[in-house]
Amino acid sequence: SQTIHQWPATLVQPVGSPLSLECTVEGTSNPNLYWYRQAAGRGLQLLFYSVGIGQISSEVPQNLSASRPQDRQFILSSKKLLLSDSGFYLCAWRGEPLGGGYTFGSGTRLTVV
Amino acid sequence: GNSVTQMEGPVTLSEEAFLTINCTYTATGYPSLFWYVQYPGEGLQLLLKATKADDKGSNKGFEATYRKETTSFHLEKGSVQVSDSAVYFCALSATGGSYIPTFGRGTSLIVHP
Repeated sequence: SQTIHQWPATLVQPVGSPLSLECTVEGTSNPNLYWYRQAAGRGLQLLFYSVGIGQISSEVPQNLSASRPQDRQFILSSKKLLLSDSGFYLCAWRGEPLGGGYTFGSGTRLTVV
Repeated sequence: GNSVTQMEGPVTLSEEAFLTINCTYTATGYPSLFWYVQYPGEGLQLLLKATKADDKGSNKGFEATYRKETTSFHLEKGSVQVSDSAVYFCALSATGGSYIPTFGRGTSLIVHP
């Protein structure tokens, strides 16, 4: 069966520190992968998506970057965190066929202090 | 571009009340439609889906019908429980491109005993 793993679950980081969040998918190949951020009490903001290894599309200008070093691995990074980077980060992959919907990871709660 | 509009929340109901959360969409072509549920501190879970006009998705007592003529996909449940308290997201996935999903802003549901 297909599963998605996201870690860590909770992270508290000082301003200016680096960030690395990891997402891996099992049981599928060449998935479309997505990073979302959800600010407190608000909707989902698409940050990045990837349709294949090394292929990253950015939806909004950010203090963040993403990489896809392997087919089923998607990493969200920052060199220097800002207070405004705090939020709930969600990784997702698109199931096949298209009508199958999207599967989300359990999320990472990031607090920048 | 594609868009999803959901009713503003929070929606506050007593246990066993009837629930309706409105969702309308704008999209080119024939999108697939989804409802996701997010419990506090967790990622999003697919609740139900419909892939073509007049399809009815259903799960856990919730249901929604894909109405192409009114471009709507309203979520309903005949008798809500306290455990249904969560945030509900309506979403669509259109054909073409990289299949970037479009999410509504979410509607918070609070059910009181």
